[in-house]
Amino acid sequence: DTEVTQTPKHLVMGMTNKKSLKCEQHMGHRAMYWYKQKAKKPPELMFVYSYEKLSINESVPSRFSPECPNSSLLNLHLHALQPEDSALYLCASSRGPSSYEQYFGPGTRLTVT
Amino acid sequence: AQRVTQPEKLLSVFKGAPVELKCNYSYSGSPELFWYVQYSRQRLQLLLRHISRESIKGFTADLNKGETSFHLKKPFAQEEDSAMYYCALSYNTDKLIFGTGTRLQVFP
Repeated sequence: DTEVTQTPKHLVMGMTNKKSLKCEQHMGHRAMYWYKQKAKKPPELMFVYSYEKLSINESVPSRFSPECPNSSLLNLHLHALQPEDSALYLCASSRGPSSYEQYFGPGTRLTVT
Repeated sequence: AQRVTQPEKLLSVFKGAPVELKCNYSYSGSPELFWYVQYSRQRLQLLLRHISRESIKGFTADLNKGETSFHLKKPFAQEEDSAMYYCALSYNTDKLIFGTGTRLQVFP
C-alpha cells in the first residue's frame, strides 16, 4: 500500500459540533503532517508528528487537536470551529523529517456552518 | 524569515513551447528545495527535489545559490503538463514551506 488515505472526503459541521479527521498510511513512514489549504492558496503546515511525538505545532488554535495513536494513524480532532476554518485539510507522511519526500493524501473538504 | 516566491500565478504556453516556472527563496543556510505538482482532481505529489538532480517527465530544476533560485524548466511543453506547480523549501526541521503556486496551462 503506497498511498495516504483520508476520511471522510467531505465533512460539514456546525460550530458546536465535535468531529474528527482521520489519516492512515502503511508505508512505514515515521513522520506525519497536517496541512490546511484554503482555496487558491498553498498548503500551510499545522502540525508535525515525528516518531509518533508532536514535534511542531504552528501556533494552531486549540480547537484543533492532533493525535497520533500509532505510527500508521493520524487524527485531527475538531471542536467549536469557526466558519473561517472551512478549508481542505491535507495529511502527508514521509520516511523521516524534512529532507524526505512527503506523500499527500487527497484531503478532507471541511465546511463549518 | 524563510520564504518561497513564485512570481507568476498563471503561465500559458502552446504545446511544444519551452516552459520556465520561476521560484526564488530566502534562506541564509543550505536549503532543500522541491517542486510539487497537482494535476486536476489528483493529490499533491512530488515532481523534483534538487538533491537528486534528476529529470522527471522532461522537467529539470537547478539550484542557483547565488541567485537563490530553483526554476523549473522543460524544453517542450505537453498538454498533460497542465497543472498547479508549487515550489517548496525545507530547512533544518520538519517544516516544508510552499510558494504560492503557478498554474501552467498548455494549449494544443
